[in-house]
Amino acid sequence: EDQVTQSPEALRLQEGESSSLNCSYTVSGLRGLFWYRQDPGKGPEFLFTLYSAGEEKEKERLKATLTKKESFLHITAPKPEDSATYLCAVRHYGGSQGNLIFGKGTKLSVKP
Amino acid sequence: EAEVAQSPRYKITEKSQAVAFWCDPISGHATLYWYRQILGQGPELLVQFQDESVVDDSQLPKDRFSAERLKGVDSTLKIQPAELGDSAMYLCASSPDTGVLQYFGPGTRLTVL
Repeated sequence: EDQVTQSPEALRLQEGESSSLNCSYTVSGLRGLFWYRQDPGKGPEFLFTLYSAGEEKEKERLKATLTKKESFLHITAPKPEDSATYLCAVRHYGGSQGNLIFGKGTKLSVKP
Repeated sequence: EAEVAQSPRYKITEKSQAVAFWCDPISGHATLYWYRQILGQGPELLVQFQDESVVDDSQLPKDRFSAERLKGVDSTLKIQPAELGDSAMYLCASSPDTGVLQYFGPGTRLTVL
């Protein structure tokens, strides 16, 4: 069964304390892995797309990496404004065109 | 910056009532998606349109849910009758074409009492 699993479910960090979020996937042929940020009561906001193992993308304090079975979202020296839920989603060959399978998300809290 | 618009932002209704949500995608985007997100979960696709045609509604509970995109632009999602388990965030997303990055709207938070 196609599946996306994110861990941990929740993560509490002190400001400046770097860490990583994990997204593991089992799909029949990956066509892209997406990271979104979601603030409470709002829609997901696009962060990164990764297509092949070994690929990396960076944006400010965030860096996303991809292997054949998982992706990591590394957060370096986080600030309180980085607090949000981070969603991982995959598009795969077995799915409907454009269809994304989302994980449940990791809720990140950064305390000053 | 172009955005996906949704209304209403919040809706409270009683079970067995009918509710409707509206979505206006980014101009020129041919593909439109409706997702349901239960609190603490990731979004799950309900229906996908390519222009005015439905390309995937396999997860849409068709006994009570309906969706249309008559002119291939804006779209309406309807629930009739609403049930307690329908309480969730309903998200609309659009993309220039299938298989391309999806942009999400702010969502409609539905509470069924």
